[in-house]
Amino acid sequence: SQQGEEDPQALSIQEGENATMNCSYKTSINNLQWYRQNSGRGLVHLILIRSNEREKHSGRLRVTLDTSKKSSSLLITASRAADTASYFCATDRNDKIIFGKGTRLHILP
Amino acid sequence: NAGVMQNPRHLVRRRGQEARLRCSPVKGHSHVYWYRQLPEEGLKFMVYLQKENIIDESGMPKERFSAEFPKEGPSILRIQQVVRGDSAAYFCASSPPGGPGEKLFFGSGTQLSVL
Repeated sequence: SQQGEEDPQALSIQEGENATMNCSYKTSINNLQWYRQNSGRGLVHLILIRSNEREKHSGRLRVTLDTSKKSSSLLITASRAADTASYFCATDRNDKIIFGKGTRLHILP
Repeated sequence: NAGVMQNPRHLVRRRGQEARLRCSPVKGHSHVYWYRQLPEEGLKFMVYLQKENIIDESGMPKERFSAEFPKEGPSILRIQQVVRGDSAAYFCASSPPGGPGEKLFFGSGTQLSVL
């Protein structure tokens, strides 16, 4: 079964705006990761946040983690056309990493 | 450094044939994961392997599917007697010896089409 659920399922914004995607999960975790997938390609790791961390930054990316609500958010600031992709959260569960269904982000010119 | 290499990139099989998907992890990585993805959907976990060991195969159908990661050579995902429902993209990922707590490095996937 899916561990993480992202919302929204799809998001279209104007270039330059900020994009926020959310992820909720069901069981306790050690860490949560976000990945990006361009159409027809493999996933690329973006950022990992551990369960004892609340916020993490990497370039234009900002990730938050609220373990009490079992949720995380990914913020992409000043979006660019190249950010058009699907974004997935992933959590570790027992001996495996489980992915959500993803948010499809489309940046409009 | 070479990343995760998957081959073939595209594989066409007729119903009833066998499909063999290969994955060479990043050099030095000892953990391999296989995932399946249908169009417009997320990645579904299939199996997690370490060298010569299957750690978790709970996501893999018990019939027709098998996976291995030998001491030497690539990891192989084998699907026997393929059916149309097996058509999907299959992704392999590897991680360093730290295991599931580390980030995954993905290959470009194998697109399996069953006619």
